[in-house]
Amino acid sequence: GESVGLHLPTLSVQEGDNSIINCAYSNSASDYFIWYKQESGKGPQFIIDIRSNMDKRQGQRVTVLLNKTVKHLSLQIAATQPGDSAVYFCAESIQGAQKLVFGQGTRLTINP
Amino acid sequence: DAGVIQSPRHEVTEMGQEVTLRCKPISGHNSLFWYRQTMMRGLELLIYFNNNVPIDDSGMPEDRFSAKMPNASFSTLKIQPSEPRDSAVYFCASSFQREGGPQFFGPGTRLTVL
Repeated sequence: GESVGLHLPTLSVQEGDNSIINCAYSNSASDYFIWYKQESGKGPQFIIDIRSNMDKRQGQRVTVLLNKTVKHLSLQIAATQPGDSAVYFCAESIQGAQKLVFGQGTRLTINP
Repeated sequence: DAGVIQSPRHEVTEMGQEVTLRCKPISGHNSLFWYRQTMMRGLELLIYFNNNVPIDDSGMPEDRFSAKMPNASFSTLKIQPSEPRDSAVYFCASSFQREGGPQFFGPGTRLTVL
């Protein structure tokens, strides 16, 4: 593989702990936000999404928080498991558009 | 339920050759997206279709790239002629056409141009 490229932020957590992955966005016109999980050799997998009229949404073991004041999005994973190891991407969609703009991703590693 | 299907999963070709990547979206979805992912540039949108019509191709790198969607269940991305810098993983995704909604990705095609 390539040896030079994007340096992904990395988050290491102990198995069983909660993980918080953060994402900053810059466009105040964005009104839809989404998190994806990408495991090695696979395509991005939809985890959870949220619209700008909400500030929190919960799924199974995951919670997304949206702070529009500071343009910040976070993904919380409860009781992290080895299978949660992956690169996590946030993406945003600008009002009136279908296109998703992806962040660079965060690599989550789970320590046994 | 079948997700987005892409073929081939891996493609190795020589510079100058034509490459065709194929995608079958999720049944019932009417929007289809082609992305390219590299270590250097991350995930980039190349083109997307609504109801088989190309809507935005501003991400297509150059004239060597072309995409078609002849019907609701099939799309192709063609590179002719291919170059080593085209080496990447190419993803297809589909969704329901609407403002702000999840896109569902296929497994990708890993392209290597020698």
